[in-house]
Amino acid sequence: KAGVTQTPRYLIKTRGQQVTLSCSPISGHRSVSWYQQTPGQGLQFLFEYFSETQRNKGNFPGRFSGRQFSNSRSEMNVSTLELGDSALYLCASSLQGGEKLFFGSGTQLSVL
Amino acid sequence: DAKTTQPPSMDCAEGRAANLPCNHSTISGNEYVYWYRQIHSQGPQYIIHGLKNNETNEMASLIITEDRKSSTLILPHATLRDTAVYYCIVLLNAGNNRKLIWGLGTSLAVNP
Repeated sequence: KAGVTQTPRYLIKTRGQQVTLSCSPISGHRSVSWYQQTPGQGLQFLFEYFSETQRNKGNFPGRFSGRQFSNSRSEMNVSTLELGDSALYLCASSLQGGEKLFFGSGTQLSVL
Repeated sequence: DAKTTQPPSMDCAEGRAANLPCNHSTISGNEYVYWYRQIHSQGPQYIIHGLKNNETNEMASLIITEDRKSSTLILPHATLRDTAVYYCIVLLNAGNNRKLIWGLGTSLAVNP
């Protein structure tokens, strides 16, 4: 069974640009959640999607958004990038959400 | 929200047991304790979880105190590949709103 796939693995953007990250969950998993990881803050929850609906949301500004498609694949978008958005963005999938999570390897975003 | 407290770092000799403590003094009755680990440049990996009773699987054992205010993850025979950051997390469950609150974890160094 294939694991969680995140693309791209690395990304370099400049301030003010926008970016879209992609996550393909494990087959059969309906919940996809996103996390931001920085050295000083650890993993910060962004949002969770279940059956194409955002079910839960962390404390991030509206520049951070996401969506989930009917095949459970998910994308997250960050608009008007800031230097502080530089981080590792992790996607995790699970059957129903909240229980055992399976993580991808993440997308390392650098904002210059 | 229940939060966890872990020592920032620990050392362990290869072949010996690694005992990683976690304090979750504000945990409520229906909240589970989860443990994950993150090896450098990878996404977190699920290890084990429990509610009240001690749990064991092929990776580790989880000991939860009777008052549930703390727990210990035990790696019975640590190897160099167990060098990672270990996260102790409490699962919040409020209806459909489930989110894991991540701390900064314990950086475990297994030494030869």
